Amino acid sequence: GAGVSQSPSNKVTEKGKDVELRCDPISGHTALYWYRQSLGQGLEFLIYFQGNSAPDKSGLPSDRFSAERTGGSVSTLTIQRTQQEDSAVYLCASSPRLAGGLDEQYFGPGTRLTVT
Amino acid sequence: KNEVEQSPQNLTAQEGEFITINCSYSVGISALHWLQQHPGGGIVSLFMLSSGKKKHGRLIATINIQEKHSSLHITASHPRDSAVYICAVGLGRRALTFGSGTRLQVQP
Repeated sequence: GAGVSQSPSNKVTEKGKDVELRCDPISGHTALYWYRQSLGQGLEFLIYFQGNSAPDKSGLPSDRFSAERTGGSVSTLTIQRTQQEDSAVYLCASSPRLAGGLDEQYFGPGTRLTVT
Repeated sequence: KNEVEQSPQNLTAQEGEFITINCSYSVGISALHWLQQHPGGGIVSLFMLSSGKKKHGRLIATINIQEKHSSLHITASHPRDSAVYICAVGLGRRALTFGSGTRLQVQP
């Protein structure tokens, strides 16, 4: 079946502009996660959603970052007033049942964001 | 000190060698994950374990909860195993905490 998909695969934007990154999780997966990987760095948790529960936003680096998940499926990560330090690969993952670390996660291919 | 430490950071091996990558963590966990990140960037989940040992093909993962330590072993390594291997730990519904990864290069 289809895996996790993300769009766009690459995004170049000017400093100060807003960007939206999209994630389509595996159909039926309950939990959805956003991560960031800066060049040469490890994975950094941003936010996760599980079902109708309040999302865990504890990893969002500033209030310029926000995310929503509509209808328990597609998610959009929005970065307002982008800064050069926002340049990174943004990865989405989903898991079938449980959020946090309790279930295997399936990763999308990522969106490479470059802020010029 | 990071909550999840991996060693070595970089590893070069000859094809056929037995490889061990280590992960130590300092917090209580519900489960530990091993992930593989290919040179192109894609990430695949290899194992999720909370005790004992798991095996999949040439890959073996072990965990010692008392010692807060896990190892990932690759037997009969092959150039296609070249990737970054990432250890991550989770506690309950808290988000995963990731190690910085081990970059493995297997030479033919």
